[in-house]
Amino acid sequence: DTAVSQTPKYLVTQMGNDKSIKCEQNLGHDTMYWYKQDSKKFLKIMFSYNNKELIINETVPNRFSPKSPDKAHLNLHINSLELGDSAVYFCASSPTKRGPQFFGPGTRLTVL
Amino acid sequence: SQQGEEDPQALSIQEGENATMNCSYKTSINNLQWYRQNSGRGLVHLILIRSNEREKHSGRLRVTLDTSKKSSSLLITASRAADTASYFCATVPFMGGGADGLTFGKGTHLIIQP
Repeated sequence: DTAVSQTPKYLVTQMGNDKSIKCEQNLGHDTMYWYKQDSKKFLKIMFSYNNKELIINETVPNRFSPKSPDKAHLNLHINSLELGDSAVYFCASSPTKRGPQFFGPGTRLTVL
Repeated sequence: SQQGEEDPQALSIQEGENATMNCSYKTSINNLQWYRQNSGRGLVHLILIRSNEREKHSGRLRVTLDTSKKSSSLLITASRAADTASYFCATVPFMGGGADGLTFGKGTHLIIQP
């Protein structure tokens, strides 16, 4: 009965590879997000997705692309991984655009 | 861009004492939210305070908001060992459709000593 789930929990990969992180929410929320938490625990919004409208944080490299096959899923694709992409990535969802957000458990990505 | 700063960055107190964390932000907001993050886990929403509210309570939590100073505080009363976690404030901007996500502060790491 997990509300927001992410897979995998850990992802270790080589520089230059392409990888995906999956996110699913069973809360029926309209808006989903991706955040990046760096080694100093600072959280930064990457994307928000609401009713097929994607809002991208301007600082996110275009190697990152979210894809939503349906309202319950927002997957994160990363091309040509770099060392600096190592971080914990969190998916979240919200019933309203300005309301509380429900976070997944996170995916720890390590790029070697 | 980074919105908020939490103060202090780390706080260690004895169980049973009260813990106060402060947060400052830079732009006009629609609301401010506090989240807790246990080590290695996702964030959990604690409380939301709207820009036209000054104080809000939820159980042992008390949040204040001063929009003139662009600051908020989170008070946890009668702390417990289970309150050990990192606490983040996050803001939703006043302008825009609100689908731009939360802007987080740096967080306060709270340690409750048994």
